[in-house]
Formats: sequence, C-alpha cells, structure tokens
Amino acid sequence: DADVTQTPRNRITKTGKRIMLECSQTKGHDRMYWYRQDPGLGLRLIYYSFDVKDINKGEISDGYSVSRQAQAKFSLSLESAIPNQTALYFCATSDLRSGGGGNEQFFGPGTRLTVL
Amino acid sequence: RKEVEQDPGPFNVPEGATVAFNCTYSNSASQSFFWYRQDCRKEPKLLMSVYSSGNEDGRFTAQLNRASQYISLLIRDSKLSDSATYLCAVIPMNTGFQKLVFGTGTRLLVSP
Repeated sequence: DADVTQTPRNRITKTGKRIMLECSQTKGHDRMYWYRQDPGLGLRLIYYSFDVKDINKGEISDGYSVSRQAQAKFSLSLESAIPNQTALYFCATSDLRSGGGGNEQFFGPGTRLTVL
Repeated sequence: RKEVEQDPGPFNVPEGATVAFNCTYSNSASQSFFWYRQDCRKEPKLLMSVYSSGNEDGRFTAQLNRASQYISLLIRDSKLSDSATYLCAVIPMNTGFQKLVFGTGTRLLVSP
C-alpha cells in the first residue's frame, strides 16, 4: 500500500543535541509537510515543500530546518534541541491530483520526541 | 479569536446514539473544509471533505454553514470503534499557499 513512514517512532534526547526526523512516502505525492502536535494546541505547521526545490517556513519554524532530499523524502532537523520541542511530530503529504484540490493531507504515524 | 475552534468534549454517548460536533472558523473567506479522526497517540486520518452541498459517507454526515461560519459532523448509530478525537481542518484564505489550519479536536467516547 502507498504509505507515509517516519523514523524514528520514538526518541529521547538531551538539550543541545542535534536530532533528525525522517519521512518517506510511496504515494508519489509532490507536497510534503512537517507538523508538531502539543496537547491543547493542536497541529501546527513547521515547514512545507511543494517539490524538491521548494522549501517554505510554516508558522513555527524557529529552531527547525528541513531538507527535501528527493520527491519521496523530507527530513526535519532540530539543530540544538530544547525541552519545549518535546512534542509529537507528524509528516504529511498531499498532491494536486488528490482530493480537495490537493488539500487533503495524509499523515505518517508520527515521531514522539522527548527533550530532557 | 482562534481561526478554528472546537469544543474539546468529551462527548460521552451510548452505542447506537446520534452525536454531532461543530467546528467554527473565523475567516469568512475560508474554503476547503475537512474532518479528520485521530485515535490516541496515532496519526490523524482523513474522514471526509466537507462540500458546500454537504457530504455523507455511511453513518457520517458533514455539513457546511457559511452564514454562521461553522462545519458540522453528525455520526449516526455510534459504534464503540467511533471513540476517537475528531479534528476539523480549514483553509482560511483563498490567497497564496492554502494552509490547513486544524482545530484542537473534539473527543468522543462511545460506551456499551
């Protein structure tokens, strides 16, 4: 089945460490997104990419960077992790050919990150 | 005012009941509305898109009320497996990148 996968699924790290979260998809979608989810705050967009050469900041990009290595791969990096980056991180994909004018998004299983 | 607001619940209903949630949005120019389902500690999964004419999929019906700026989700004949958090998502403006804004979700608990 076409899918969105994320690695690692869980990660505990210490303040100041560099962390990379990876996302791969076999859906053939052009658009990829990174969100974080915090209790009471919902899903918030960190970065998004419409194709390999297109990277855009979302609403909470400070402290994060991304790399779109290929159409199917979009990684999120925390350059120097801090405790308030403890959250559930989701990757998502969409495509203009999918429903809702390309706005229907499909999520990976998430990465639970804890920064001590 | 938040762009998208939902009653966090929980809504506690018995099996077989009908339950409805609303989601209000602040930007009258909003377009493209969606309902997602999220199980505890899992990823959101698209439940249905919400069209101007409404949308029905089995026991689930979604409606859009532009005048009052809300979307609704009706679940008929609730099942235990419907217990989850339901997120609405809205695209606030018809300009530039059409960013999805999510509500914080409404929790539904269906009991035997």
